Amino acid sequence: KQEVTQIPAALSVPEGENLVLNCSFTDSAIYNLQWFRQDPGKGLTSLLLIQSSQREQTSGRLNASLDKSSGRSTLYIAASQPGDSATYLCAASYGGSQGNLIFGKGTKLSVKP
Amino acid sequence: DAGITQSPRYKITETGRQVTLMCHQTWSHSYMFWYRQDLGHGLRLIYYSAAADITDKGEVPDGYVVSRSKTENFPLTLESATRSQTSVYFCASSWGGRGSPLHFGNGTRLTVT
Repeated sequence: KQEVTQIPAALSVPEGENLVLNCSFTDSAIYNLQWFRQDPGKGLTSLLLIQSSQREQTSGRLNASLDKSSGRSTLYIAASQPGDSATYLCAASYGGSQGNLIFGKGTKLSVKP
Repeated sequence: DAGITQSPRYKITETGRQVTLMCHQTWSHSYMFWYRQDLGHGLRLIYYSAAADITDKGEVPDGYVVSRSKTENFPLTLESATRSQTSVYFCASSWGGRGSPLHFGNGTRLTVT
């Protein structure tokens, strides 16, 4: 069964710290891996998408990596800020139709001032 | 405004009633999706559509009906609402293809009493 796991479920860090969020997936035949941010009461916002042929993607203070052989992706957040507080979800896509997008349950990040 | 819009934002209905959740996107994206988000289960795919008049079941389709007569609209109907369908429903869209991220609406919080 294709599964995506995110550990830890919650994380609290002081402002300014660099941090890593983890995502693991059981089936390495992914199409792409996406990272999303969800604020309370809101929808998901796409942060980064890594295609299966890529190793990493960067956007500002965010860097996402993909290692298909180990079934892992990481989201690195540099110099964290209180505004980064949110739930971060990863999702693995299998197949061209994108109907088979498997989501992790997310890591709730709290950045303390 | 450009983007993806869901309505209503909140809905309370009674068991057995029919209710329709609306989704409209202005990007002319080919693919549209309906997810439900529940504590403990995360995001689960209900139905998706690859183009107008083409729909397919996701992980949890029972009790739901979709249609897509126009590219920009993808309504989700609960034919006879049950308490187990109390959830937050998200509509999403994308162009499709390896490099195409998923864009989400802000969700509809549905309560079935």
